Amino acid sequence: DVKVTQSSRYLVKRTGEKVFLECVQDMDHENMFWYRQDPGLGLRLIYFSYDVKMKEKGDIPEGYSVSREKKERFSLILESASTNQTSMYLCASIGQPYEQYFGPGTRLTVT
Amino acid sequence: DQQVKQNSPSLSVQEGRISILNCDYTNSMFDYFLWYKKYPAEGPTFLISISSIKDKNEDGRFTVFLNKSAKHLSLHIVPSQPGDSAVYFCAASARGNKLVFGAGTILRVKS
Repeated sequence: DVKVTQSSRYLVKRTGEKVFLECVQDMDHENMFWYRQDPGLGLRLIYFSYDVKMKEKGDIPEGYSVSREKKERFSLILESASTNQTSMYLCASIGQPYEQYFGPGTRLTVT
Repeated sequence: DQQVKQNSPSLSVQEGRISILNCDYTNSMFDYFLWYKKYPAEGPTFLISISSIKDKNEDGRFTVFLNKSAKHLSLHIVPSQPGDSAVYFCAASARGNKLVFGAGTILRVKS
């Protein structure tokens, strides 16, 4: 079974802090994704990566950056956390065909 | 502009009856459609998918129907069980690995 793990289930951070969310997958998938889930808005794509050191902006990249130094690890960085970044963050990697496997999510609260 | 729409935020169904979840899309380039199920505090899990060359795909109690002319798909769950209570996300892809998600429908199956 594919396993996608995320470093934290719950995080509370202060406004202005730099926040790192880490995601690791164990299936050697090339494509990995970061989403945020908000009520009534579904899952919105922040960034994705199709190879090591490669990244592309999704639909809502503002205020975020990513890092993919190793194939199995994809990190999401909030450069300066703001209250409107309070959300559920979901990492995913893709199998075949098109099926994305999700991690359990990180509930981030920015106060 | 939402390319994938789930217009019903919630649905309540009696155990044993049929649940029908609907999804509309606007992008005619979408060629693959998926349904994901999400329990609270967990990541979404893949449920069933359908290619645009088909109009129906069945997997046990779950059937997905695709009407390309109407740009509409639906998920049928028969019979519905209390364990099916979850948020269901419709997603679509256009010849690539990026998925566009709908806002989700909360299904409650009453026993």
